[in-house]
Amino acid sequence: DAKTTQPTSMDCAEGRAANLPCNHSTISGNEYVYWYRQIHSQGPQYIIHGLKNNETNEMASLIITEDRKSSTLILPHATLRDTAVYYCIVRENTGNQFYFGTGTSLTVIP
Amino acid sequence: DTGVSQDPRHKITKRGQNVTFRCDPISEHNRLYWYRQTLGQGPEFLTYFQNEAQLEKSRLLSDRFSAERPKGSFSTLEIQRTEQGDSAMYLCASSLGRDGYGYTFGSGTRLTVV
Repeated sequence: DAKTTQPTSMDCAEGRAANLPCNHSTISGNEYVYWYRQIHSQGPQYIIHGLKNNETNEMASLIITEDRKSSTLILPHATLRDTAVYYCIVRENTGNQFYFGTGTSLTVIP
Repeated sequence: DTGVSQDPRHKITKRGQNVTFRCDPISEHNRLYWYRQTLGQGPEFLTYFQNEAQLEKSRLLSDRFSAERPKGSFSTLEIQRTEQGDSAMYLCASSLGRDGYGYTFGSGTRLTVV
């Protein structure tokens, strides 16, 4: 079962930062926070993951609160191609499956 | 190798017929996963293989479903006696090892049972 809570939908203006929140209040010490996204008619795509430190890669930044009960995915300069469903997932790094939940549908507006 | 390939992309079948889907993972990936996704929902785990061994199956995988990965390379997912409730997108993913960031998903096979 999904262990995260995300808003159903969000809008963001093109070129602005998109900040997608996720609550995971029951996260355990050995569980990572993963973010995947799914563009229409495609399979999910890995974005970023972290344990307790903030992380940044070429796609996004992940900010995890000190108590690890919530996190925010930041797309620094959203483009129309970032319109997708974004899934926040918590899982042990050695787990065998992901519980995706329903995610946040992000629409980037021109 | 351009990623995970799934065939066919779309399948329409009559209720009661059998269907088979194929997944070709990234060649060096030893783990292969099947997920199912219905409209408006996130993908749900069905089963996973490590090499040719099927190591985990979800309760969603009823006895009408069978998956194989005979030589540890491609995999097939067969649904027997299809029902309208089987209509969904069937996604395949592969990974090298257990790290959650290493999953690569295919574009899926969309099944419609009429």
